[in-house]
Amino acid sequence: SQQGEEDPQALSIQEGENATMNCSYKTSINNLQWYRQNSGRGLVHLILIRSNEREKHSGRLRVTLDTSKKSSSLLITASRAADTASYFCATGSTGNQFYFGTGTSLTVIP
Amino acid sequence: DTGVSQDPRHKITKRGQNVTFRCDPISEHNRLYWYRQTLGQGPEFLTYFQNEAQLEKSRLLSDRFSAERPKGSFSTLEIQRTEQGDSAMYLCASSLGQVNTEAFFGQGTRLTVV
Repeated sequence: SQQGEEDPQALSIQEGENATMNCSYKTSINNLQWYRQNSGRGLVHLILIRSNEREKHSGRLRVTLDTSKKSSSLLITASRAADTASYFCATGSTGNQFYFGTGTSLTVIP
Repeated sequence: DTGVSQDPRHKITKRGQNVTFRCDPISEHNRLYWYRQTLGQGPEFLTYFQNEAQLEKSRLLSDRFSAERPKGSFSTLEIQRTEQGDSAMYLCASSLGQVNTEAFFGQGTRLTVV
C-alpha cells in the first residue's frame, strides 16, 4: 500500500522560480526520503530526513518535516529545466520497508 | 560501477510465459528490495531481503511471483505464467540495512506482456 500522498499532483513553473511540493503520510515514521524520477527511468535518491530532524538542506534542495502534522515539504530553489521530473516521497518505519506516495510531476519551462 | 544494476532493462514476453529478472545491489549493502511501478503511479513494495533471508512479502506478490537472494548478493525475481496485468516497471533497490540509511535504486526492468 502507498502511505504517502504528494501535493500537488502536477506543477508547472518558469525556470528560475522556486518549486514546492508537499507530502502527507498516515502513520509514525523513522525517516522520510525524497526521490526524483525522470520519465521512464529509475529513481534517484535526493535526501533523507530523520524523524527527529525538522529541516535539511542539500544544494538547491530544502526539506522540512513536521511529524505532528505528518507532513513534509521539498523546496527546489532557482529551478532549472533539468529539474523537470516526477518527485516522490517515501516513508520508512519500523517495518524496514518504505512506502511511496503518488508523486508530483514538475515541469520547468525554459 | 558502484550502483544498483538490473538486467534486462526491457523484456517483452507473451502471456503465459515465465520471466526472470536479476538485480545486483551495491556490494556492501545487505538489504535488497523489489518494487513494482505502473504508469503514473508511485512504486509499490513487493518484497525485501536482509542478506539471504526474505523478511517480508507484500500481498501484491501472488503465488506466481517468487524472489530469491541465494548468497546474499544478487537477487532474482521470477514471474510465472505472466498476465497482461504484470506489465510494469520492476525496480530493485539496496541499502545498508541500518535504520535511517538511504536506499538506492537501479534503472529498472520494464516488462511488457503481450
